[in-house]
Amino acid sequence: AQSVTQLGSHVSVSEGALVLLRCNYSSSVPPYLFWYVQYPNQGLQLLLKYTSAATLVKGINGFEAEFKKSETSFHLTKPSAHMSDAAEYFCAVSVERGGNKLTFGTGTQLKVEL
Amino acid sequence: GAGVSQSPSNKVTEKGKDVELRCDPISGHTALYWYRQSLGQGLEFLIYFQGNSAPDKSGLPSDRFSAERTGGSVSTLTIQRTQQEDSAVYLCASSRGLAGATTQYFGPGTRLLVL
Repeated sequence: AQSVTQLGSHVSVSEGALVLLRCNYSSSVPPYLFWYVQYPNQGLQLLLKYTSAATLVKGINGFEAEFKKSETSFHLTKPSAHMSDAAEYFCAVSVERGGNKLTFGTGTQLKVEL
Repeated sequence: GAGVSQSPSNKVTEKGKDVELRCDPISGHTALYWYRQSLGQGLEFLIYFQGNSAPDKSGLPSDRFSAERTGGSVSTLTIQRTQQEDSAVYLCASSRGLAGATTQYFGPGTRLLVL
């Protein structure tokens, strides 16, 4: 079975500062990894995904994530936070023979302060 | 184009009543998923449908939960004899297929409150 751990249920950064949201995964087979963002009272929107091609993945809104197999990590970063980035972020994993079922982490609430 | 739509957006019911939640996937998407988002359990998979294949019901928490997908399109999630612990946001997603990296597109969810 797969699992995802997101360290830090709440992260607060200043506007313009680096955003770093942590995600570690566990999987006995090669994983596919995803970052989704959820704004209040909305569904989940895909930010980016790792599909075993490039290990550095660039997504929407200036976010990127790097797959590190040796560290079983897929941390999300953005060089400069905007107020509009305030939302909840979910890391998720699936595997090829898993029917595309997503296993989610517990989420990280990002707060951006002036 | 139109995204995944869900109805109702909010549902308040009394303990013991049955509820039906509806999902309209993106046109042409063959796979449809239901997830539940609750304070205690986070985001958890419930069930998925792919074409005419038997659904994967491995995430349904009890036999009070069932789902069907008619004509390979619209899906209904039914919860019988609702309990307070069923209060959650129920999210539907659809994708082009079941390959592990295929993007799932999520609807806005149905917020269920069981009194």
